[in-house]
Formats: sequence, C-alpha cells, structure tokens
Amino acid sequence: GAVVSQHPSWVICKSGTSVKIECRSLDFQATTMFWYRQFPKQSLMLMATSNEGSKATYEQGVEKDKFLINHASLTLSTLTVTSAHPEDSSFYICSARDRGLAIYEQYFGPGTRLTVT
Amino acid sequence: GESVGLHLPTLSVQEGDNSIINCAYSNSASDYFIWYKQESGKGPQFIIDIRSNMDKRQGQRVTVLLNKTVKHLSLQIAATQPGDSAVYFCAETPGGSQGNLIFGKGTKLSVKP
Repeated sequence: GAVVSQHPSWVICKSGTSVKIECRSLDFQATTMFWYRQFPKQSLMLMATSNEGSKATYEQGVEKDKFLINHASLTLSTLTVTSAHPEDSSFYICSARDRGLAIYEQYFGPGTRLTVT
Repeated sequence: GESVGLHLPTLSVQEGDNSIINCAYSNSASDYFIWYKQESGKGPQFIIDIRSNMDKRQGQRVTVLLNKTVKHLSLQIAATQPGDSAVYFCAETPGGSQGNLIFGKGTKLSVKP
C-alpha cells in the first residue's frame, strides 16, 4: 500500500512552453501533497505544500505564477511549469500524506525528469 | 558541468562491513527525523525514523542514533550489501509545521563487492 505515482516519468520540452506533471496517490487519500525539486548531486528542496481544495503554500523564492499547483482531489495534485526555461530543468518529486496517518508520514513518488531545451 | 561545493560526500565500504553515515541537522526545534535512501533516477525511499524523545532506534540491519546536544544524526548499516549503494539523506521536521521535511545534503554510499 501507500503508492504514489507521477506522470510523466520524464519529459523534454522547448523553452517557453508549459509542462504539467501529475502526482497521484493510488491507494490512499492524501490531504496534503508536497512538491520538491532536486538538481543533480543536490538535495531535495521543498517548493510548495498543497492541501486538497485550497491554495498551495509556496516556499520562499519559489515563484507561484511560474509553478502552478492544483490539488483538486484527495488523490491528485498537478504541478505546471509555465514558460519553462533551461534553468527549470530538474528532477521534480512529489510526496503525499495519508489523512489517516501521523502528520509526519509522507510517501514519495518516483520523480519526473524535466529537460528544457 | 559541476560547480565547486556541489560534490556529494562519498562513503566507500567493502561488502560485509558496517557503514556509518552522519548528518548534522539545523533546527533545534525539530522533533522528528527520517533517513531516506535514493537510488539514481528514483524518489526517496523511507528507511527508518526517530522522534526527538529517543536517542536510538533499530530496524532490520539499520540503526539510527540521535544526539540532540550537538544536533547530530547517524545511520548505521550492518553488513553492507551492494544493493545498499545509493545516496542517503537525513530529513528533519520542525515542530509545529505541517510535517514539512527539510532534507540534509546527502551522502553517497558505494559498496565494493
């Protein structure tokens, strides 16, 4: 149980276009989902926290108009990178918290590799 | 290319030896700590956790030690196997947060057969 999926697993897009990444909790309801970004040989950096039915909370330095997050249901959150540029190329990882578990427990997705050319 | 300061610390051990991976955390108010394993191109995988009211917790082949005095966390892996090769991250959760995780820098573990 407690599986989180991401789609797509990798994507290549041209500079200036937008890309949507989906994060799904497959066998549990996720009241909260988190989005992280990871550059090569670096750690995971939290971008935003998304609660079902409400606006996402963005970390300092993360542009909310560039990284649009929608958490429309208890099993789906989406991250849209708008007007992507090469510096947005990164590994994007989501995690989800089961409403039935402790506040600290998160399950991570497999990540999405974004390359902007 | 790589930039100075972005090299992950690397620990290289012989198969069968014990491994100790260390982590310094930042927030003295953090009350929950987790170790994750990340293989190349994959998401983090939970290994073991510990609450701030404990100083040691054991799992299968893994032990986590917490020293709150010096804000230090360690992960011990017994009888390290080639399948343990990965990058290991510690993460902390500041008390009172929504459970947001703050990840440490990571250590790359290489196991030589």
